[in-house]
Amino acid sequence: SAVISQKPSRDICQRGTSLTIQCQVDSQVTMMFWYRQQPGQSLTLIATANQGSEATYESGFVIDKFPISRPNLTFSTLTVSNMSPEDSSIYLCSVRYSNYGYTFGSGTRLTVV
Amino acid sequence: RKEVEQDPGPFNVPEGATVAFNCTYSNSASQSFFWYRQDCRKEPKLLMSVYSSGNEDGRFTAQLNRASQYISLLIRDSKLSDSATYLCVVSHTGGGNKLTFGTGTQLKVEL
Repeated sequence: SAVISQKPSRDICQRGTSLTIQCQVDSQVTMMFWYRQQPGQSLTLIATANQGSEATYESGFVIDKFPISRPNLTFSTLTVSNMSPEDSSIYLCSVRYSNYGYTFGSGTRLTVV
Repeated sequence: RKEVEQDPGPFNVPEGATVAFNCTYSNSASQSFFWYRQDCRKEPKLLMSVYSSGNEDGRFTAQLNRASQYISLLIRDSKLSDSATYLCVVSHTGGGNKLTFGTGTQLKVEL
């Protein structure tokens, strides 16, 4: 399976600021996914990041709030912009490495104060 | 109605017990099914894929009923280390193979 390095593992940020989360994969993958997991809840897909094209966002998520970069097949970033306390959550990236296998980064625990 | 529904639990069981989790999904176009395990403050990890014929991996057995849109996970001889949240996950090719997660079922195995 693919191995993902996700940074930072956690951060505490002031409201109104932005945080960029990075995911580096040890192999080339076509699709990368960004999820949010709010306290006590399951994972919700934010967007799918494809190399060479704009990310595809799920209902309720917009590019201005969560801009994504995908400069190559092993790397992606998610930015949480103009943060508010409601953005406090765990953010995870994920890749599909086979027909049935998906692996996740270790997550970024964000607290907005 | 949520696309993937699970009983959140918690299921508190003694060590050695057999426990079963159920999951229903609403999208009939779903084609791939998984059980993931998530430990506290950790990322989800694939426990097993679920096939139509049912499949077993050691103490874990997964079943799929497409007609009823129902998935199950059976854990035999529970260990303390099985304590975690178990996530039912589905995907369908029409959605770009993206995963849809249930809210998870919490299992606590006790002495």
